[in-house]
Amino acid sequence: GAVVSQHPSWVICKSGTSVKIECRSLDFQATTMFWYRQFPKQSLMLMATSNEGSKATYEQGVEKDKFLINHASLTLSTLTVTSAHPEDSSFYICSAPRQPAEAFFGQGTRLTVV
Amino acid sequence: AQKVTQAQTEISVVEKEDVTLDCVYETRDTTYYLFWYKQPPSGELVFLIRRNSFDEQNEISGRYSWNFQKSTSSFNFTITASQVVDSAVYFCALSEVPLIVGNKLVFGAGTILRVKS
Repeated sequence: GAVVSQHPSWVICKSGTSVKIECRSLDFQATTMFWYRQFPKQSLMLMATSNEGSKATYEQGVEKDKFLINHASLTLSTLTVTSAHPEDSSFYICSAPRQPAEAFFGQGTRLTVV
Repeated sequence: AQKVTQAQTEISVVEKEDVTLDCVYETRDTTYYLFWYKQPPSGELVFLIRRNSFDEQNEISGRYSWNFQKSTSSFNFTITASQVVDSAVYFCALSEVPLIVGNKLVFGAGTILRVKS
């Protein structure tokens, strides 16, 4: 069964609004979670590392103020895309390892900004 | 810096043919992990295999097999007797050995596999 649950699976929002995406680890605690982004027909790129109890670590070129990450508990990390624009339309997917060296992914969220 | 190259952008085969997806990686680390994932049209990433750098033994799982060659920095994936359901994008990925739980992955560009009936 699923190890990591991500919600929503897809979302359409108006330009200028904010969207929150949730990533939950199922039946295990995850002090670290990872957020990736995948543009159409492209590969997955790491955006940021979500750390429970501390600030997220962002990859170079990712705007911290635009992509807010909150690791609220040991089983939940949220990614909020603030003031979304059409260029933010993408597939966002999280990873929450259950053991060292694991990398299981959520179902992904397809964001469309109109 | 770590890098993964999947030179084959797209492969088309007819059902029951064997197909090999290539993956070449670069890393300065002596210990690392290699992964293969399948991404069907729904978008989810389906975990297929993880291999650590100390284990060069080839692995077979049903119709899937993997050939890890450290000398050529390659981790190729073969599907035997391909089926239409194998049609998907396949990603090879590399990660360092984590000091703590969780490791971030560097992905290749992906190979689109189309299996025709």
